[in-house]
Amino acid sequence: GAVVSQHPSRVICKSGTSVKIECRSLDFQATTMFWYRQFPKQSLMLMATSNEGSKATYEQGVEKDKFLINHASLTLSTLTVTSAHPEDSSFYICSARDRGLTEAFFGQGTRLTVV
Amino acid sequence: QKEVEQNSGPLSVPEGAIASLNCTYSDRGSQSFFWYRQYSGKSPELIMFIYSNGDKEDGRFTAQLNKASQYVSLLIRDSQPSDSATYLCAVNLSGTGNQFYFGTGTSLTVIP
Repeated sequence: GAVVSQHPSRVICKSGTSVKIECRSLDFQATTMFWYRQFPKQSLMLMATSNEGSKATYEQGVEKDKFLINHASLTLSTLTVTSAHPEDSSFYICSARDRGLTEAFFGQGTRLTVV
Repeated sequence: QKEVEQNSGPLSVPEGAIASLNCTYSDRGSQSFFWYRQYSGKSPELIMFIYSNGDKEDGRFTAQLNKASQYVSLLIRDSQPSDSATYLCAVNLSGTGNQFYFGTGTSLTVIP
């Protein structure tokens, strides 16, 4: 299958700082990228969907000013968690889809810990 | 996100048995349906997808889709201990900007 690379895999940051997570599609054009958050023993919760060159569409209850998503190219999307707090600690996962493909492929995930 | 529902389990089956995982969805216009497997602490990996009514087989896995009942299932034949994981059902909703929504997942344990 197609490869999606997510970086970093783990990050620890201080409360109040911002963290950027990158998601790259390595061998296909990611016309759509999805960002999910997963708390322990829970399912993936869709945070937002972004189409290349357009503003992201956020799910209800997700603060767009806190979780900044940029999808400026067909191979790269970033999620910036601004003014992080301990309750933002979670597993963040991106996935990407090419308009020519039915399925979406996942990055490796980023374990964020805010202390 | 209640668009997709799964029994959280846990589901336990003996090695060699058939494991049956079920999923229902609420949007009748949904177009594509996916089964992912997720090991603890890892990202989901795609097992298979289906978009036509009926069965689709891939090795030991069979996906079944019934759009009239808004139901999709995954059968795992000859279950192995390595199949022990959480299985996530995902639905690509129609007319909503291409979102993928996931069910809560079913935890499967295959007992040697």
